[in-house]
Amino acid sequence: EVQLLESGGGLVQPGGSLRLSCAASGFTFSNYAMSWVRQAPGKGLEWVSTFSGNGGTRYYADSVKGRFTISRDNSKNTLYLQMNSLRAEETAVYYCAKHRSFVVVTAMDYWGQGTLVTVSS
Amino acid sequence: QSALTQPASVSGSPGQSITISCTGTSTDVGGYNYVSWYQQHPGKAPKLMMYDVSNPPSGVSNRFSGSKSGNTASLTISGLQAEDEADYYCSSYSSSSTVVFGGGTKLTVL
Repeated sequence: EVQLLESGGGLVQPGGSLRLSCAASGFTFSNYAMSWVRQAPGKGLEWVSTFSGNGGTRYYADSVKGRFTISRDNSKNTLYLQMNSLRAEETAVYYCAKHRSFVVVTAMDYWGQGTLVTVSS
Repeated sequence: QSALTQPASVSGSPGQSITISCTGTSTDVGGYNYVSWYQQHPGKAPKLMMYDVSNPPSGVSNRFSGSKSGNTASLTISGLQAEDEADYYCSSYSSSSTVVFGGGTKLTVL
């Protein structure tokens, strides 16, 4: 059974940093692209970043490029999102999602339950 | 990276059919057959309902179907049931090697 468990959310001040983790199980983690998708309170889904499963290509939304870094540790079956210079409008539930294959073009077939990040002073 | 355009809300009675549209451009929806649809119930994580325009994952009811014409993709739900009431999001791969979501559609089963 595929399981994705996010952690690391919490309250952070504007301009601060936070690192999210997503522990994966139930599939061969290294073979699949993995993404972070966020959802602000009462709003829609917004793609944040994807790490491909075939050697290390990373993709970012323009809104986070240069501030967020996606990484993965295939030996620990874990995906990360390092978030720097956080803004109030980035308050959201951050979801980790597995893609159907190793490339970013494929759909996200499994999602975690999300971790809440609150950016506020 | 502009969001895809979806109607804010649609509604239908039990047993009826509804269609949710998702309009993009030639650089996303119109340019690739990589449109997917997600269902999200309140307080829950999204669930994949359709991938590559018209392919339902295993376990998804055959009442759900997908299609695409030009820059617009569509999700049709036939034989509406109360459990279908949820938010629905479309998504597409984009030419800039990114992923774009629609703004979401709230489906109400009357």
